[in-house]
Amino acid sequence: NAGVTQTPKFQVLKTGQSMTLQCAQDMNHNSMYWYRQDPGMGLRLIYYSASEGTTDKGEVPNGYNVSRLNKREFSLRLESAAPSQTSVYFCASSDRGYSYEQYFGPGTRLTVT
Amino acid sequence: DQQVKQNSPSLSVQEGRISILNCDYTNSMFDYFLWYKKYPAEGPTFLISISSIKDKNEDGRFTVFLNKSAKHLSLHIVPSQPGDSAVYFCAECSNNDMRFGAGTRLTVKP
Repeated sequence: NAGVTQTPKFQVLKTGQSMTLQCAQDMNHNSMYWYRQDPGMGLRLIYYSASEGTTDKGEVPNGYNVSRLNKREFSLRLESAAPSQTSVYFCASSDRGYSYEQYFGPGTRLTVT
Repeated sequence: DQQVKQNSPSLSVQEGRISILNCDYTNSMFDYFLWYKKYPAEGPTFLISISSIKDKNEDGRFTVFLNKSAKHLSLHIVPSQPGDSAVYFCAECSNNDMRFGAGTRLTVKP
């Protein structure tokens, strides 16, 4: 039982490049989330998916897109990376339609130069 | 403007003593308040929560207090252990909207 897994762990992009961050959970949770964490700030919600087939914007969605591929997988895409997107990205899941206890992956550290 | 504020970036405590981490919030419409713990290079892990209709919740060494009139939340760890050294985030949650504070780094010295 791996919980929430994220790939890659580290990534360096040049401005304008695109990439997809992958997230998978094996806990049969309905809800999945993408957060970013920046120095001196808490985690901020980018997008979430309350159930398979649905996605909604969070606090900071600009510059990102998401896909809930199936119940297990929720990906985050940066179409044209910008230095302001340099951050640590966390994926999380929960087994409630509204969530307070979320299970987090280990994070992806992204640097955009 | 941050809705959840942790005004102390760091806290250092001696092993065996009490650690008190504080959090202030501005929005009274949230259903739950939570504390997460984070070690370096790992994702946050859920620690303890409290419903907005309660004023105290206890789980072993961890107790969370909610003062709604002051819009203040605190986490007490008694007794503190070196393994408790981590960054602690408070968060408020309603439906799928979770807002985190910036975190407090707790160091427990042996």
